[in-house]
Amino acid sequence: SAVISQKPSRDICQRGTSLTIQCQVDSQVTMMFWYRQQPGQSLTLIATANQGSEATYESGFVIDKFPISRPNLTFSTLTVSNMSPEDSSIYLCSVGFGLGMNTEAFFGQGTRLTVV
Amino acid sequence: GDSVTQMEGPVTLSEEAFLTINCTYTATGYPSLFWYVQYPGEGLQLLLKATKADDKGSNKGFEATYRKETTSFHLEKGSVQVSDSAVYFCALVMDSSYKLIFGSGTRLLVRP
Repeated sequence: SAVISQKPSRDICQRGTSLTIQCQVDSQVTMMFWYRQQPGQSLTLIATANQGSEATYESGFVIDKFPISRPNLTFSTLTVSNMSPEDSSIYLCSVGFGLGMNTEAFFGQGTRLTVV
Repeated sequence: GDSVTQMEGPVTLSEEAFLTINCTYTATGYPSLFWYVQYPGEGLQLLLKATKADDKGSNKGFEATYRKETTSFHLEKGSVQVSDSAVYFCALVMDSSYKLIFGSGTRLLVRP
């Protein structure tokens, strides 16, 4: 298992500014992920954070908007850049083990972002 | 593409009532299916899973059966408690993938 701490838990930001969300895991993990949950919507995978290399982004998400760092096997950050009200969402950090039927995923408590 | 559809909430029940939360999926192959639960102020936690057709996942009194013929994975509990109040997410993952695909979540509120 894994215990994940996310900071901040919530924030209210002005449009045009940027917010960096931190994710700390209590053990070394290979796979770390960032999800977005827009109001009333599914969780959508933004990117996979790779240690020592650039993140892998899903369709519809770009590095300029959501730069990600992964300096070691226990920590990652997601920045939401040049924010607009449409970025108001819950952002979740996740770590994963295994593939397919062996998939196990653990989640942080999320960061609730409101852009005004 | 692959997707998961859940019944909309909120679902409001009295304590000891029977619970069903519907989940159906669309997938090109044979996915593994999951239910996750998110209690207030906490992260998502795995509640149960099923990896092949006719498998039944169960945990904490909750059950769900993988129905390939109806592409469904409905969550049930015979007698809910106030402590079951949470948001429930149905999800799938395809074989050889690590990418979970989630439904939109269903909020359950259980009243004493």
